[in-house]
Amino acid sequence: NAGVTQTPKFQVLKTGQSMTLQCAQDMNHEYMSWYRQDPGMGLRLIHYSVGAGITDQGEVPNGYNVSRSTTEDFPLRLLSAAPSQTSVYFCASSLTRMNTEAFFGQGTRLTVV
Amino acid sequence: GQQLNQSPQSMFIQEGEDVSMNCTSSSIFNTWLWYKQDPGEGPVLLIALYKAGELTSNGRLTAQFGITRKDSFLNISASIPSDVGIYFCAGLYFGNEKLTFGTGTRLTIIP
Repeated sequence: NAGVTQTPKFQVLKTGQSMTLQCAQDMNHEYMSWYRQDPGMGLRLIHYSVGAGITDQGEVPNGYNVSRSTTEDFPLRLLSAAPSQTSVYFCASSLTRMNTEAFFGQGTRLTVV
Repeated sequence: GQQLNQSPQSMFIQEGEDVSMNCTSSSIFNTWLWYKQDPGEGPVLLIALYKAGELTSNGRLTAQFGITRKDSFLNISASIPSDVGIYFCAGLYFGNEKLTFGTGTRLTIIP
């Protein structure tokens, strides 16, 4: 049982490049979400999904897109990377939308130069 | 949006000491959660609280859901080296569907 798997673990991008951060869970969880973690700011919600085909914006959605075509996968797309998007990104999943016990992936450390 | 203030920001303690940290919110929550993050890892859930006034333990950890529903507390007794890490509180308001995290408390144990 792998839980929540994020790839890649590390990535360096040039300003303006696009890329997709992958997230997959094998627990049949309905609810999935993406957070970014910056020093001194805790975890901030980027986008979330309450089920396949349904996504919504979190606290800091600008510059990011998501889709949820299957229950298992919830990729995060950076459309045109900017240095302000340098951060550690975490994907999380939980059984239901009430999100009381979120399971987190190991994170993707992204640097935009 | 909702704000969670977590304090202290960092703690430097000796092994064996007890630790206390807290989290306060500008608005009420229905659920309070406490997570721990080890270096290079994602947060892991420690304790979940679902009712105002609730006191819940998980081994040496004890957390409380404040009566006002705007705060929560975490205590760690007799700290050990593996307690090192960042502790996050998080709150959930039903109907909001979004978990709000505090800014974290970094715990360091001085040899």
